[in-house]
Amino acid sequence: DTGVSQNPRHKITKRGQNVTFRCDPISEHNRLYWYRQTLGQGPEFLTYFQNEAQLEKSRLLSDRFSAERPKGSFSTLEIQRTEQGDSAMYLCASSLALGDEAFFGQGTRLTVV
Amino acid sequence: AQSVTQLDSQVPVFEEAPVELRCNYSSSVSVYLFWYVQYPNQGLQLLLKYLSGSTLVESINGFEAEFNKSQTSFHLRKPSVHISDTAEYFCAVRQGAQKLVFGQGTRLTINP
Repeated sequence: DTGVSQNPRHKITKRGQNVTFRCDPISEHNRLYWYRQTLGQGPEFLTYFQNEAQLEKSRLLSDRFSAERPKGSFSTLEIQRTEQGDSAMYLCASSLALGDEAFFGQGTRLTVV
Repeated sequence: AQSVTQLDSQVPVFEEAPVELRCNYSSSVSVYLFWYVQYPNQGLQLLLKYLSGSTLVESINGFEAEFNKSQTSFHLRKPSVHISDTAEYFCAVRQGAQKLVFGQGTRLTINP
């Protein structure tokens, strides 16, 4: 297993465009998390799934953001009508439901111009 | 809600010198504490964790952290740093169902 995989690694988009990121977790992990990290800050929790169910969403996740995990495996995070303030590193992590460690992917760096 | 404060945003040290990165948390319940390391343009890697038991936890690359309940701290230490330790270090507390609350990070810079 190669760990948590995120694609793309980098994305530059114009303001107002929609973008979608993909996360492939470690195969046996039931839980999948999305975090956002802005420059000079620690990651901030956005949402998490257990299998295909989205169990918690942060207030940071505005209605322009939507996350899915349709078959309980990979997940997508879509941002509609991007704004410059959406520029950040988007990190995905996965863990076992009863485990104690979350494994992070390398992130997708979004730049909105 | 739990929170984490990393008291130093940047820590410059000379190679082979000791270092301490400070972390304080706020929580009224049992805590699970973590230190993650982030190299440039990379994701986070777990360095060490405290879940229960011994209050002193160690990593394989010489870092250690001590859980101090009375001072609500989980400071990270290394007796002798190497150039390769240059990175950003994040302290985190687990809240609820494995959601992590991170501090702001401390950038460790090693000077030769």
